[in-house]
Amino acid sequence: GENVEQHPSTLSVQEGDSAVIKCTYSDSASNYFPWYKQELGKRPQLIIDIRSNVGEKKDQRIAVTLNKTAKHFSLHITETQPEDSAVYFCAASQVSRLTFGEGTQLTVNP
Amino acid sequence: SAVISQKPSRDICQRGTSLTIQCQVDSQVTMMFWYRQQPGQSLTLIATANQGSEATYESGFVIDKFPISRPNLTFSTLTVSNMSPEDSSIYLCSVESKGRYNEQFFGPGTRLTVL
Repeated sequence: GENVEQHPSTLSVQEGDSAVIKCTYSDSASNYFPWYKQELGKRPQLIIDIRSNVGEKKDQRIAVTLNKTAKHFSLHITETQPEDSAVYFCAASQVSRLTFGEGTQLTVNP
Repeated sequence: SAVISQKPSRDICQRGTSLTIQCQVDSQVTMMFWYRQQPGQSLTLIATANQGSEATYESGFVIDKFPISRPNLTFSTLTVSNMSPEDSSIYLCSVESKGRYNEQFFGPGTRLTVL
């Protein structure tokens, strides 16, 4: 089955800096790669996604890149703000079955 | 996007008992799923709830332990049977709506503690 690895497990940045989280996947049949943000005690929220026919997607301060050949994808957050502090999960999907990475605890220090 | 609710939001149960968790959506959805999130960990897919037929379980999860129903396009239940403390987790349903292929949105979760 699919295996998704996510790095780093924790990331601390200063407000205004950029943050990058990286994931690799194992199954070349995976074709959909969402990112979720989970605040403490809350449900995971879909913040951005990318499909295998696209290399990059941007939505305001967040962007995701995908390298199908290398089987890795990354989340980029620019101009970080304290409210960006949360756990971020990447996932890979085949026929709607999501396999999640282990998560990254992002802390943005004011 | 669809509004998803779960009941109960949390429960404390005794070892050996069973708990049924409900997931209700305010609009018809194509796919419904059940996930488990153990404390401080990632999400693991338990099964896909199929409308009108048996659920499709992932490796490591079996119907006798986690029976699932999906009688219509807006409702599903997950039962955690013969519970042990290792079943203490957050259980979340997710849905995929028509026209939003692959995009999954999560319910608020049910926090289960087994004593």
